[in-house]
Amino acid sequence: GAGVSQSPSNKVTEKGKDVELRCDPISGHTALYWYRQRLGQGLEFLIYFQGNSAPDKSGLPSDRFSAERTGESVSTLTIQRTQQEDSAVYLCASSLALMNQPQHFGDGTRLSIL
Amino acid sequence: DQQVKQNSPSLSVQEGRISILNCDYTNSMFDYFLWYKKYPAEGPTFLISISSIKDKNEDGRFTVFLNKSAKHLSLHIVPSQPGDSAVYFCAASAQTEGNNRLAFGKGNQVVVIP
Repeated sequence: GAGVSQSPSNKVTEKGKDVELRCDPISGHTALYWYRQRLGQGLEFLIYFQGNSAPDKSGLPSDRFSAERTGESVSTLTIQRTQQEDSAVYLCASSLALMNQPQHFGDGTRLSIL
Repeated sequence: DQQVKQNSPSLSVQEGRISILNCDYTNSMFDYFLWYKKYPAEGPTFLISISSIKDKNEDGRFTVFLNKSAKHLSLHIVPSQPGDSAVYFCAASAQTEGNNRLAFGKGNQVVVIP
C-alpha cells in the first residue's frame, strides 16, 4: 500500500515480557517518527530518524525503550521488561525531509500489558 | 509540560454550520502548525497546515488561522458534515531549530448532528 504500515495492529502481553513493534514508512520518506498515545492523552514524541544522522532519542521514557531503523526503510521499536504503564497506542509516522512537510501516520499498534 | 493546549474537549454542531476549534501554544520557536483528524482505531490523518510566515491557509472547507502574537491558531470547518465527526488534534514543530518532532494537544471531539 501507499501509506505507513504498522504491525501488529494489536498486542497483548504479560508484564515483564519484551515486545517488538514494526513500522514500514511511505516509500521515499527519509524521516521516520515514533509517538505513543496513552488513554485520554495527546500524542507523545518518542524518537526521530532522519537519513544517516544520529536519531533524536530525547522522547524515550526509559532505557527499556529502544528503536532501530534499517537504512531509509523499516523501523522497529522494542520495549523490554514491559510495565503496565507502557500500555498505549504506538504510532509511527513518516515524512519527506523538507521544510513544511506533514507527517503521515500509520494506524498504530495497540499495546496492552496485563 | 503541555506546550500545545486545546481547551473545550468536545464540540457539537449542526450539519451545515461552522465548526471552530481553537489551539494555544507556549513555545515561541514553533514555526509550523498542523491539524490532524482521527477516527477511532485509525491513525491521525493530516488535514491542513500553516507555516509561521502566513496567517491564513485555506483548503476547501477547511481554513486555519494563525495569530503569532497571541500564540493562537484555529481551525474552521464550513459547512460541517456528519463525516467530520472525529477527534481533531492541533500539532506544532520548531523546524528552524532542526527539530521536526511534533508537539500535540490533547484533542477536541467534534460531533456533527445531521
